[in-house]
Parts: sequence; structure tokens; C-alpha cells
Amino acid sequence: EIVLTQSPATLSLSPGERATLSCRASQSVYSYLAWYQQKPGQAPRLLIYGASNRAPGIPARFSGSGSGTDFTLTISSLEPEDFAVYYCQQRRDWPPWTFGQGTKVEIK
Amino acid sequence: QVQLVESGGGVVQPGRSLRLSCAASGFTFSSYGMHWVRQAPGKGLEWVAVIWFDGSEIFYADSVKGRFTISRDDSKDTLYLQMNSLRAEDTAVYYCARMGAGTTWAYFDYWGQGALVTVSS
Repeated sequence: EIVLTQSPATLSLSPGERATLSCRASQSVYSYLAWYQQKPGQAPRLLIYGASNRAPGIPARFSGSGSGTDFTLTISSLEPEDFAVYYCQQRRDWPPWTFGQGTKVEIK
Repeated sequence: QVQLVESGGGVVQPGRSLRLSCAASGFTFSSYGMHWVRQAPGKGLEWVAVIWFDGSEIFYADSVKGRFTISRDDSKDTLYLQMNSLRAEDTAVYYCARMGAGTTWAYFDYWGQGALVTVSS
């Protein structure tokens, strides 16, 4: 089973700042990695797939990068609606489909 | 637009059974694989089960294997999760999620709003 480790657990930033979230895989997942956003009381939403491709309707301030074992989600300038929990997920080796434990982006 | 609506959640005693449903609309249900993903209170996401678009492949997480059964009824555009021998650790919000196709294959491209299952005596 591929284990995904996200860091940091919590990121405290102000609106307008840049957010950089990390996801590290226990073995190579090539570029088979996605990022999801989850707001309180809501279902997750697909943001990025294939490590760097934005899902339909996702604003350009969200970008993904990386391959192999190290991946990054960047939010170039935080909007108020971006404060949420973010999860990475791999599809390289399944079952099981695995998620990281999440990074919470909170308002500083 | 794609919609997934779960139902059937509730409070159930340990050892009992419950069946969740997920009604799909806005897309050709029979063309997509479907997953169940759960989230315990205050915790992260845990994949539970998947069924291929044609039902030819079914996989389960080890934590539910032998107790849960995923199925689908394409005539009703509905996904099911039969949960037997429920345990306290099965307490979670259960989401149905569509398996993407094409470039988003094997990612979760649309999610329902979730159904809360509480296992407690």
C-alpha cells in the first residue's frame, strides 16, 4: 500500500499570501496524483489531477507540480474561500486508493 | 449537472446492518465506475469500495472486506452499500464518488454530500 504523507498539518496564512502544501509518497506514483479541497460540512472537490492538471472550473491560482514521490500544491494568492483542508490522493497502485492525512489552511 | 445524493444513513447498534443508497443524475451512470469513501468524525478520507462501470470488478478496503457489499442498479441509476456486522469504528460520513473517465480515470471527479452513519449502543 502506498502511503501519502502531507506537510505541514496546519498552515496559518493571511488572505493574499502564497500557500505551499507538500505531499510525499512512500514509493513513486509517477504523476498519478490528485489534490482535493474540502470545506467544513462539505464534500471534497477535485482540484488537480495528474499532478498538474486543473479540474474544470478550478481557478488558475491553484497549481500542482511534482512527480515520483514529491508533490506540491500551490495557491498563488489566498482568497477567503480557499481556507479549507486539502488532501492528496494517488491512483498509481490500487486497491486501495489512498489519501494523505490532509493539510488545513487556516486564517492567521 | 452531475448530482450524487446519498441516503440511508442513521444510528444503528453494533452488529446490526444498514444499506446506503446513492442516486445519480446528470450523466450516463452505466458508463462510470463508482466508489464509496468514508470520513470518521474529525478525521481524513478513507476509501471503502469500488465497482467498475459494468460491475466486472469490485474491490474493498481490508477494513470492510467480508462485511460490506457494493452493488449498482443501472436501471435506477443507483449505487448501494450494504453494511453488515457494523462496528463502532465504522462511524463516519459515507460519500459516494464517481470514478473519472479518460484523463481523470481512477480519480474521484464528483462527490455526493455524504450520509452519516453512527454505530452506537
